[in-house]
Amino acid sequence: IAGITQAPTSQILAAGRRMTLRCTQDMRHNAMYWYRQDLGLGLRLIHYSNTAGTTGKGEVPDGYSVSRANTDDFPLTLASAVPSQTSVYFCASSGTTGAVDGYTFGSGTRLTVV
Amino acid sequence: AQSVTQPDIHITVSEGASLELRCNYSYGATPYLFWYVQSPGQGLQLLLKYFSGDTLVQGIKGFEAEFKRSQSSFNLRKPSVHWSDAAEYFCAINTGGFKTIFGAGTRLFVKA
Repeated sequence: IAGITQAPTSQILAAGRRMTLRCTQDMRHNAMYWYRQDLGLGLRLIHYSNTAGTTGKGEVPDGYSVSRANTDDFPLTLASAVPSQTSVYFCASSGTTGAVDGYTFGSGTRLTVV
Repeated sequence: AQSVTQPDIHITVSEGASLELRCNYSYGATPYLFWYVQSPGQGLQLLLKYFSGDTLVQGIKGFEAEFKRSQSSFNLRKPSVHWSDAAEYFCAINTGGFKTIFGAGTRLFVKA
């Protein structure tokens, strides 16, 4: 089934540890995104990539990094996790630059930093 | 600044009753408009979108939305709600760039 796969589904992480959230899509979409979802705040964009080899910062990029080595994969790395990064993380993709066709979302990664 | 407001944090409707979820946006022109649905433990799924043309758009699962330029609104409606519609609903706008702005969401409860 075409879509986005995120891993892990959930994780408890000690503060200060490094963590990479994985995201893979099989739709050959050019653009990919990472959002975090927090209660009462909706979804906030962390980083995006409009095509392989390029990335950009979103609304809340501090403490996170991304890479886009190929079309399918868009990992999100927390270099040194802090409790405020406890959240649900969603990877998304869109078939056109600018996301005007809407997004396809993964099922999310629930991360707890203790 | 661009923003999306969903005035209702949660709404409860009876099964079989009609539904309207409100969405207002702030932007100097007409943006691309979207509604998404999120079931518990799942990612968001696109219900419908509006770019231009007919201001009443049809989506999946029997949902529709009406764009009203004068009110900067894009309200979501369904004539008859089913228990399976219980979920959280997000309105979103895109102004042509890489950033889609989401509202805070409205949680729908359906009572038997």
